[in-house]
Amino acid sequence: EIQLLESGGGLVQPGGSLRLSCAASGLTFSDYDMTWVRQAPGKGLEWVSLIGGFGYSTYYADSVKGRFTISRDNSRSTLYLQMNSLRAEDTAIYYCAKGIATSPNFFDYWGQGTLVTVSS
Amino acid sequence: VLTQSPATLSLSPGERATLSCRASQSVSSYLAWYQQKPGQAPRLVIFDASNRATGIPARFSGSGSGTDFTLTISSLESEDSAIYYCQQRSYWPLTFGGGSKVEIK
Repeated sequence: EIQLLESGGGLVQPGGSLRLSCAASGLTFSDYDMTWVRQAPGKGLEWVSLIGGFGYSTYYADSVKGRFTISRDNSRSTLYLQMNSLRAEDTAIYYCAKGIATSPNFFDYWGQGTLVTVSS
Repeated sequence: VLTQSPATLSLSPGERATLSCRASQSVSSYLAWYQQKPGQAPRLVIFDASNRATGIPARFSGSGSGTDFTLTISSLESEDSAIYYCQQRSYWPLTFGGGSKVEIK
């Protein structure tokens, strides 16, 4: 059974940093693109970033470009999101999700999310 | 930009639900639908406009191409109460629609 488990969320002051992790199990991790999607309280889904299976390709939403860095460690089956210069508008539940092998950039398995709150 | 309508749909069990997703430019058939229930992560329902994801009941179907897409639930069940989001993968950045809420009377 494929499982994704996010961790690393919490309360951080504006301008601060946080690193999220997403531990994957039940799959050959390097076979799949992985992504982060966030959801502000009471709002819709917003795509944040995506990384290719071997980590060579990365993509970002304009809202986080230059502040967030996505990475992965295939030996540990773990996805990361380094978030710097955090703003109040980054407050959200952050989900990691796995890409479909046959239709990259659609996502068939999701974690339960980790809450990031940016506030002084 | 993906625009979803209606914002809210309130129907009785057994009725047919039709949700719309309109793209501001062609996304070919590179569109997916997700279901999200309160307190839960999204769940993939349809990908590539018309392909049901694993484990999704046959009452869910998707259609469309280019700029106009539809998610149809042929006979609503109480468990279908959720917010449904469309998502395109035709161009960067990936984008989601604003969502359509399906309420069961």
